[in-house]
Amino acid sequence: DAGITQSPRHKVTETGTPVTLRCHQTENHRYMYWYRQDPGHGLRLIHYSYGVKDTDKGEVSDGYSVSRSKTEDFLLTLESATSSQTSVYFCAISESFAGTEAFFGQGTRLTVV
Amino acid sequence: AQTVTQSQPEMSVQEAETVTLSCTYDTSESDYYLFWYKQPPSRQMILVIRQEAYKQQNATENRFSVNFQKAAKSFSLKISDSQLGDAAMYFCAYKDDGATNKLIFGTGTLLAVQP
Repeated sequence: DAGITQSPRHKVTETGTPVTLRCHQTENHRYMYWYRQDPGHGLRLIHYSYGVKDTDKGEVSDGYSVSRSKTEDFLLTLESATSSQTSVYFCAISESFAGTEAFFGQGTRLTVV
Repeated sequence: AQTVTQSQPEMSVQEAETVTLSCTYDTSESDYYLFWYKQPPSRQMILVIRQEAYKQQNATENRFSVNFQKAAKSFSLKISDSQLGDAAMYFCAYKDDGATNKLIFGTGTLLAVQP
Protein backbone atom coordinates (compact mmCIF):
# COMPACT_ATOMS: atom_id res chain seq x y z
CA ASP A 1 0.00 0.00 0.00
CA ALA A 2 1.11 3.51 -0.81
CA GLY A 3 2.30 5.43 2.22
CA ILE A 4 -0.25 8.18 2.49
CA THR A 5 -1.87 9.26 5.73
CA GLN A 6 -4.57 11.80 6.39
CA SER A 7 -5.13 13.39 9.76
CA PRO A 8 -7.43 13.72 11.50
CA ARG A 9 -9.73 10.97 10.30
CA HIS A 10 -12.78 12.56 11.84
CA LYS A 11 -13.44 16.08 13.02
CA VAL A 12 -16.40 18.07 14.25
CA THR A 13 -15.95 21.82 14.33
CA GLU A 14 -18.04 24.92 14.77
CA THR A 15 -19.00 27.38 12.08
CA GLY A 16 -16.47 30.16 11.75
CA THR A 17 -13.49 28.31 13.15
CA PRO A 18 -10.36 27.59 11.10
CA VAL A 19 -9.58 23.97 10.34
CA THR A 20 -6.45 22.36 8.91
CA LEU A 21 -6.33 18.90 7.42
CA ARG A 22 -3.00 17.21 6.86
CA CYS A 23 -1.88 14.83 4.15
CA HIS A 24 1.43 13.10 4.70
CA GLN A 25 3.17 10.81 2.21
CA THR A 26 6.27 8.66 2.43
CA GLU A 27 6.46 7.89 -1.30
CA ASN A 28 8.28 11.04 -2.44
CA HIS A 29 5.62 11.56 -5.13
CA ARG A 30 5.65 14.90 -6.86
CA TYR A 31 1.92 15.48 -7.25
CA MET A 32 -0.61 15.84 -4.45
CA TYR A 33 -4.33 16.58 -4.58
CA TRP A 34 -7.16 17.48 -2.27
CA TYR A 35 -10.74 16.45 -3.11
CA ARG A 36 -14.05 16.62 -1.40
CA GLN A 37 -16.66 13.91 -1.91
CA ASP A 38 -20.34 14.67 -1.62
CA PRO A 39 -23.36 12.62 -2.71
CA GLY A 40 -24.30 13.44 -6.28
CA HIS A 41 -21.12 15.40 -6.89
CA GLY A 42 -18.48 12.72 -6.97
CA LEU A 43 -14.94 13.78 -6.22
CA ARG A 44 -14.36 17.47 -6.77
CA LEU A 45 -10.88 18.87 -6.96
CA ILE A 46 -10.18 21.61 -4.41
CA HIS A 47 -6.46 22.31 -4.88
CA TYR A 48 -3.50 20.42 -6.19
CA SER A 49 0.27 20.66 -6.04
CA TYR A 50 2.84 19.86 -8.69
CA GLY A 51 5.87 20.48 -6.51
CA VAL A 52 7.04 22.13 -3.32
CA LYS A 53 5.45 25.57 -3.12
CA ASP A 54 3.73 24.96 -6.49
CA THR A 55 -0.02 24.79 -6.10
CA ASP A 56 -3.07 25.60 -8.17
CA LYS A 57 -6.80 25.87 -7.72
CA GLY A 58 -9.28 23.21 -8.62
CA GLU A 59 -12.97 23.57 -9.38
CA VAL A 60 -14.16 24.23 -5.81
CA SER A 61 -11.36 26.24 -4.22
CA ASP A 62 -13.37 29.06 -2.66
CA GLY A 63 -13.02 29.04 1.12
CA TYR A 64 -9.97 26.77 1.02
CA SER A 65 -6.24 27.38 0.98
CA VAL A 66 -3.30 24.99 0.78
CA SER A 67 0.37 24.91 1.52
CA ARG A 68 3.17 22.59 0.59
CA SER A 69 6.46 23.56 2.19
CA LYS A 70 8.01 20.10 1.77
CA THR A 71 7.45 17.16 -0.53
CA GLU A 72 5.78 14.93 2.02
CA ASP A 73 3.14 17.27 3.45
CA PHE A 74 0.17 18.96 1.82
CA LEU A 75 -2.06 20.97 4.14
CA LEU A 76 -5.63 22.00 3.44
CA THR A 77 -7.02 24.90 5.47
CA LEU A 78 -10.59 26.02 5.80
CA GLU A 79 -10.11 29.64 6.81
CA SER A 80 -13.55 29.97 8.41
CA ALA A 81 -15.52 26.75 8.27
CA THR A 82 -19.11 26.81 7.02
CA SER A 83 -21.79 24.12 7.07
CA SER A 84 -21.46 23.76 3.28
CA GLN A 85 -17.95 22.46 3.87
CA THR A 86 -19.24 19.43 5.73
CA SER A 87 -17.89 16.63 3.57
CA VAL A 88 -15.46 13.75 3.24
CA TYR A 89 -12.05 14.99 2.18
CA PHE A 90 -9.57 12.86 0.30
CA CYS A 91 -5.92 13.43 -0.37
CA ALA A 92 -4.22 11.73 -3.30
CA ILE A 93 -0.65 11.43 -4.54
CA SER A 94 0.82 10.63 -7.92
CA GLU A 95 4.23 10.09 -9.44
CA SER A 96 5.75 12.31 -12.10
CA PHE A 97 4.63 10.20 -15.04
CA ALA A 98 1.05 11.22 -15.84
CA GLY A 99 -0.01 7.71 -16.74
CA THR A 100 0.53 6.36 -13.26
CA GLU A 101 -2.41 5.86 -10.97
CA ALA A 102 -3.17 8.13 -8.08
CA PHE A 103 -3.10 6.69 -4.57
CA PHE A 104 -5.63 7.90 -2.06
CA GLY A 105 -5.67 8.42 1.65
CA GLN A 106 -8.38 6.97 3.85
CA GLY A 107 -10.38 10.18 3.88
CA THR A 108 -11.31 12.69 6.58
CA ARG A 109 -14.92 13.13 7.58
CA LEU A 110 -15.43 16.77 8.54
CA THR A 111 -18.64 17.99 10.10
CA VAL A 112 -19.23 21.71 10.57
CA VAL A 113 -22.00 22.47 13.06
CA ALA B 1 -11.31 23.69 -18.52
CA GLN B 2 -11.50 19.95 -18.62
CA THR B 3 -14.68 18.23 -17.51
CA VAL B 4 -15.76 14.64 -16.96
CA THR B 5 -19.41 13.61 -17.19
CA GLN B 6 -21.03 10.39 -16.01
CA SER B 7 -24.68 10.48 -16.96
CA GLN B 8 -25.78 7.33 -15.13
CA PRO B 9 -26.05 7.94 -11.38
CA GLU B 10 -27.08 4.32 -10.76
CA MET B 11 -26.95 1.06 -12.67
CA SER B 12 -27.97 -2.48 -11.89
CA VAL B 13 -26.82 -5.78 -13.36
CA GLN B 14 -27.54 -9.45 -12.74
CA GLU B 15 -24.71 -11.60 -11.55
CA ALA B 16 -22.78 -13.13 -14.49
CA GLU B 17 -24.22 -10.58 -16.92
CA THR B 18 -22.44 -7.70 -18.67
CA VAL B 19 -22.87 -4.03 -17.92
CA THR B 20 -21.47 -0.87 -19.51
CA LEU B 21 -20.87 2.37 -17.64
CA SER B 22 -20.69 5.57 -19.66
CA CYS B 23 -18.26 8.45 -19.42
CA THR B 24 -17.66 11.46 -21.61
CA TYR B 25 -15.06 14.15 -21.16
CA ASP B 26 -14.08 17.45 -22.63
CA THR B 27 -10.57 18.71 -23.21
CA SER B 28 -8.60 20.69 -25.74
CA GLU B 29 -5.48 18.63 -25.07
CA SER B 30 -4.26 15.86 -27.34
CA ASP B 31 -2.23 13.97 -24.76
CA TYR B 32 -3.89 12.76 -21.59
CA TYR B 33 -4.84 9.67 -19.63
CA LEU B 34 -8.18 8.25 -18.63
CA PHE B 35 -8.94 6.02 -15.67
CA TRP B 36 -11.73 4.11 -14.06
CA TYR B 37 -11.64 3.85 -10.27
CA LYS B 38 -13.81 1.69 -8.05
CA GLN B 39 -14.90 2.80 -4.59
CA PRO B 40 -16.51 0.10 -2.42
CA PRO B 41 -18.31 0.97 0.83
CA SER B 42 -14.95 1.02 2.61
CA ARG B 43 -14.28 4.31 0.72
CA GLN B 44 -10.97 2.99 -0.55
CA MET B 45 -10.22 4.11 -4.13
CA ILE B 46 -9.07 1.25 -6.35
CA LEU B 47 -7.75 1.61 -9.88
CA VAL B 48 -9.71 -0.58 -12.30
CA ILE B 49 -8.20 0.31 -15.65
CA ARG B 50 -6.31 3.05 -17.46
CA GLN B 51 -6.11 4.25 -21.08
CA GLU B 52 -3.50 6.36 -22.79
CA ALA B 53 -5.06 8.84 -25.23
CA TYR B 54 -2.34 8.22 -27.82
CA LYS B 55 -3.17 4.52 -27.96
CA GLN B 56 -5.97 3.48 -30.28
CA GLN B 57 -6.20 0.01 -28.77
CA ASN B 58 -8.74 -0.30 -26.02
CA ALA B 59 -7.36 -1.30 -22.62
CA THR B 60 -8.39 -4.59 -21.05
CA GLU B 61 -7.90 -5.96 -17.54
CA ASN B 62 -9.42 -9.40 -17.07
CA ARG B 63 -13.22 -8.89 -16.96
CA PHE B 64 -12.90 -5.13 -17.40
CA SER B 65 -12.49 -3.43 -20.74
CA VAL B 66 -13.00 0.03 -22.14
CA ASN B 67 -14.39 1.46 -25.34
CA PHE B 68 -12.28 4.54 -25.99
CA GLN B 69 -13.52 6.83 -28.73
CA LYS B 70 -11.12 9.77 -28.85
CA ALA B 71 -12.94 11.80 -31.47
CA ALA B 72 -16.21 11.47 -29.59
CA LYS B 73 -14.43 12.00 -26.24
CA SER B 74 -16.08 8.92 -24.86
CA PHE B 75 -14.62 6.37 -22.45
CA SER B 76 -17.04 3.65 -21.36
CA LEU B 77 -16.28 0.74 -19.03
CA LYS B 78 -17.59 -2.75 -19.73
CA ILE B 79 -17.73 -5.28 -16.93
CA SER B 80 -18.21 -8.85 -18.11
CA ASP B 81 -19.38 -11.78 -15.99
CA SER B 82 -20.40 -9.42 -13.20
CA GLN B 83 -19.72 -10.58 -9.67
CA LEU B 84 -21.21 -9.55 -6.35
CA GLY B 85 -17.87 -7.99 -5.44
CA ASP B 86 -18.17 -5.60 -8.35
CA ALA B 87 -20.88 -3.68 -6.53
CA ALA B 88 -19.41 -0.25 -5.83
CA MET B 89 -19.28 3.36 -6.94
CA TYR B 90 -17.33 3.74 -10.17
CA PHE B 91 -15.57 6.96 -11.09
CA CYS B 92 -14.24 7.99 -14.45
CA ALA B 93 -11.18 10.25 -14.28
CA TYR B 94 -9.12 12.40 -16.62
CA LYS B 95 -5.49 13.36 -16.12
CA ASP B 96 -3.48 15.95 -17.98
CA ASP B 97 -0.18 14.84 -19.46
CA GLY B 98 1.61 18.06 -18.70
CA ALA B 99 3.43 19.98 -16.05
CA THR B 100 0.60 19.95 -13.54
CA ASN B 101 -0.92 16.46 -14.00
CA LYS B 102 -4.30 17.83 -13.02
CA LEU B 103 -6.62 14.94 -12.16
CA ILE B 104 -10.38 15.37 -12.27
CA PHE B 105 -13.27 12.97 -11.70
CA GLY B 106 -16.83 12.50 -12.82
CA THR B 107 -19.78 12.32 -10.45
CA GLY B 108 -19.75 8.55 -10.30
CA THR B 109 -22.06 5.64 -11.11
CA LEU B 110 -23.32 3.42 -8.32
CA LEU B 111 -23.40 -0.16 -9.56
CA ALA B 112 -25.60 -2.75 -7.88
CA VAL B 113 -25.14 -6.44 -8.67
CA GLN B 114 -28.20 -8.61 -8.20
CA PRO B 115 -27.72 -12.29 -7.28
